[in-house]
Amino acid sequence: AQSVAQPEDQVNVAEGNPLTVKCTYSVSGNPYLFWYVQYPNRGLQFLLKYITGDNLVKGSYGFEAEFNKSQTSFHLKKPSALVSDSALYFCAVRDKLFSGGYNKLIFGAGTRLAVHP
Amino acid sequence: DAGITQSPRHKVTETGTPVTLRCHQTENHRYMYWYRQDPGHGLRLIHYSYGVKDTDKGEVSDGYSVSRSKTEDFLLTLESATSSQTSVYFCAISGRETGESYNEQFFGPGTRLTVL
Repeated sequence: AQSVAQPEDQVNVAEGNPLTVKCTYSVSGNPYLFWYVQYPNRGLQFLLKYITGDNLVKGSYGFEAEFNKSQTSFHLKKPSALVSDSALYFCAVRDKLFSGGYNKLIFGAGTRLAVHP
Repeated sequence: DAGITQSPRHKVTETGTPVTLRCHQTENHRYMYWYRQDPGHGLRLIHYSYGVKDTDKGEVSDGYSVSRSKTEDFLLTLESATSSQTSVYFCAISGRETGESYNEQFFGPGTRLTVL
């Protein structure tokens, strides 16, 4: 079965420093990977996805993610953190493709990012 | 939130009562999903729909039922609410066009349900 793991419950970083939120995956076949962000009392917002192609994927709000097949990782990164980036971040992998194009996502437990002034 | 609304946004109910949550979309997406979010578990899929009147179970479907009588509405019913169903419930949609197999899901704002 497909799965994702987010090994850190919380990541703390100072404003202006680079940030990394880690995600590792386990899939059979080609991985389809996603990152979402959740701000307090809000639904999840899509940040970026990896389907195929370049290993460095650029997304919303200045975030990017690096796909590493040999390490089965898909870490989320940002060169310079902002206090407003403080939120809960979820990594997800597509479980399997059903007939008709439906896709089921498996989510990690989430990592809380705290950016300090 | 991508044209998705959920109602109610907050609800407090008592054990044993039926509860229905509504998800409404204006995006004409084919697929709709109900998740619950609990600390330490991320999001877990309850039920999903791949078309009008076409639904199936997710990984935590016990105690829940769903219905989809038209494209834009997906209802989640707790037949007899229990305290273990206290959670935040999210609706999501995907797949505006038939055949899109890897596009992302868009989420509603959530419903916070408390079962006393």
